[in-house]
Amino acid sequence: AQTVTQSQPEMSVQEAETVTLSCTYDTSESDYYLFWYKQPPSRQMILVIRQEAYKQQNATENRFSVNFQKAAKSFSLKISDSQLGDAAMYFCAYRSAPSGTYKYIFGTGTRLKVLA
Amino acid sequence: DAGVTQSPTHLIKTRGQQVTLRCSPKSGHDTVSWYQQALGQGPQFIFQYYEEEERQRGNFPDRFSGHQFPNYSSELNVNALLLGDSALYLCASSLNSYEQYFGPGTRLTVT
Repeated sequence: AQTVTQSQPEMSVQEAETVTLSCTYDTSESDYYLFWYKQPPSRQMILVIRQEAYKQQNATENRFSVNFQKAAKSFSLKISDSQLGDAAMYFCAYRSAPSGTYKYIFGTGTRLKVLA
Repeated sequence: DAGVTQSPTHLIKTRGQQVTLRCSPKSGHDTVSWYQQALGQGPQFIFQYYEEEERQRGNFPDRFSGHQFPNYSSELNVNALLLGDSALYLCASSLNSYEQYFGPGTRLTVT
């Protein structure tokens, strides 16, 4: 069975600085998707960034980028120029690629605090 | 374009009662998944509906059941509520199960 581990329950970053959130996963599959979701206090989960395992190039979305290390089964999220609005819970998620496996597996989350 | 909507926002029930939660998917989406998020935890997959049928199920007892309607909206039913069922219930919709969009959730409290 696949697992997702987020070992940092809480992180803090100064406004305008850069922070990296860690995520590791365990799987025997070769084809899968990885996601980072943000959950602000309003509770609604928002997709931040996604990565297809077959792509070697790391995904980037504006100030958000990932460091995808397939062999190490690591998928970290880097937030550059942190803003107060980035404060939220961040969840790493895994989904198998083959058809017939549809569920997302989430980590336990990392609470990010942004200090003014 | 309306996103995923859920109702009600909050709900308080007593042990042993039954509850129904509702979800309307994002326009154009045909697949609905339900997740349970306990306090301080990540979401746990309950089940997914596609073409009005349960397509995949997580490790939840039969007390948890669902339904999908022809307009793709969905319901989650929980029977014989336990204190441990208290959680945030999230609905997510997608097209072809790839990228899921989440609703704001329903906070269920069982007393």
